[in-house]
Amino acid sequence: GAVVSQHPSWVICKSGTSVKIECRSLDFQATTMFWYRQFPKQSLMLMATSNEGSKATYEQGVEKDKFLINHASLTLSTLTVTSAHPEDSSFYICSARDLTAEAFFGQGTRLTVV
Amino acid sequence: AQSVTQLDSQVPVFEEAPVELRCNYSSSVSVYLFWYVQYPNQGLQLLLKYLSGSTLVKGINGFEAEFNKSQTSFHLRKPSVHISDTAEYFCAVSRRSNDYKLSFGAGTTVTVRA
Repeated sequence: GAVVSQHPSWVICKSGTSVKIECRSLDFQATTMFWYRQFPKQSLMLMATSNEGSKATYEQGVEKDKFLINHASLTLSTLTVTSAHPEDSSFYICSARDLTAEAFFGQGTRLTVV
Repeated sequence: AQSVTQLDSQVPVFEEAPVELRCNYSSSVSVYLFWYVQYPNQGLQLLLKYLSGSTLVKGINGFEAEFNKSQTSFHLRKPSVHISDTAEYFCAVSRRSNDYKLSFGAGTTVTVRA
């Protein structure tokens, strides 16, 4: 199957700083990328959908200014957590799809804000 | 909107025994159906998917699922589990539309014991 690479796999940052997470489709062009957040022992919650070259569509309750998403190319989307606080600590997962119905997932990023 | 209900939050099972994970969905439109597996601190891996055609779908690692439109179910089965099947399993549904956004169930934790 297609490969989606997410980086970093884990990051620790100080409260008030910003953190950028990258999601790359390695062997296909991703027309759409999705960003999810997952709390311990819970399911994935969709945060936003991004299409290459256009603004991301955020789900209800997700702060656009807090979670900045950029999808500048068909192989790269980034999620920046701005002014991070301890409550932003979570597992963030991206997925990417091409023109088929299947989405391919990255390995996830464990963010810890101290 | 679509919703997914995974009827079992935890399923303990002995090695080499069969396992069934139950999934029901609701949607006002036609959908695609998926089962994903997640190992600790990792992203999601697709086990199988139903897009159209035969209602019995075979996936990786010996898993299969059957789509039942009248019961709006998509139960996952494996006739003989291994210790390595210990993981979190998610059922997901997406609309047959351009965005293919996935809605996930709450997940089922499968613990395989020797």
